[in-house]
Amino acid sequence: EIVLTQSPGTLSLSPGERATLSCRASQSVSSSYLAWYQQKPGQAPRLLIDGASNRATGIPDRFSGSGSGTDFTLTISRLEPEDFAVYYCQEYQSSAETFGQGTKVEIK
Amino acid sequence: QVQLVESGGGVVRPGTSLRLSCAASGFSFSSYGMHWVRQSPDRGLEWVAVTSNDGTHKYYADSVKGRFTISRDNSKNTLYLEMNSLRPEDTGLYYCAKGPRPYAHWGQGTLVTVSS
Repeated sequence: EIVLTQSPGTLSLSPGERATLSCRASQSVSSSYLAWYQQKPGQAPRLLIDGASNRATGIPDRFSGSGSGTDFTLTISRLEPEDFAVYYCQEYQSSAETFGQGTKVEIK
Repeated sequence: QVQLVESGGGVVRPGTSLRLSCAASGFSFSSYGMHWVRQSPDRGLEWVAVTSNDGTHKYYADSVKGRFTISRDNSKNTLYLEMNSLRPEDTGLYYCAKGPRPYAHWGQGTLVTVSS
């Protein structure tokens, strides 16, 4: 099983600031099979990024993904009030996909 | 638009059974694989099971293999999850999600609580 470790656990930032979230895999993951989701309280996860760097339909361009191998990053260039949420990475290379434990982006 | 509506959750005793349903609309249900994913504070997001579009291929997480059964009725556009021998660690919010991975479409979830 591929273990995904996200850091930091919590990120305290102000609107307008840049957010950088990390996802580290226990073994190499093909970039084609790494995704990022956003989840707000009471809602299902929302797909942001697939294939490590491709924005999903309707996702603003302030969200970007990068990385390869075992290290992946989600960057939010300028935080908007609606971006404060929990973010998860997911690998779907293996038949039993796994998710990271999440990074909470909170208002400072 | 794609809509997925789960139902069937509840509070049950350990060792008992429960069947979840997911009613799908807004897309050609019989053309897509479908998944169950659960979420809990203790275990986070955890993939549970997948069925192929025609129901002939099914795969399970090790944690539920032999206890849970995924199935579908394409004539009713409905996905199911039969859960037997439930354990406290099965407690969580159960989502159905439309394939393929990654999941662009999720339901709102149905809550399962396993407690004595």
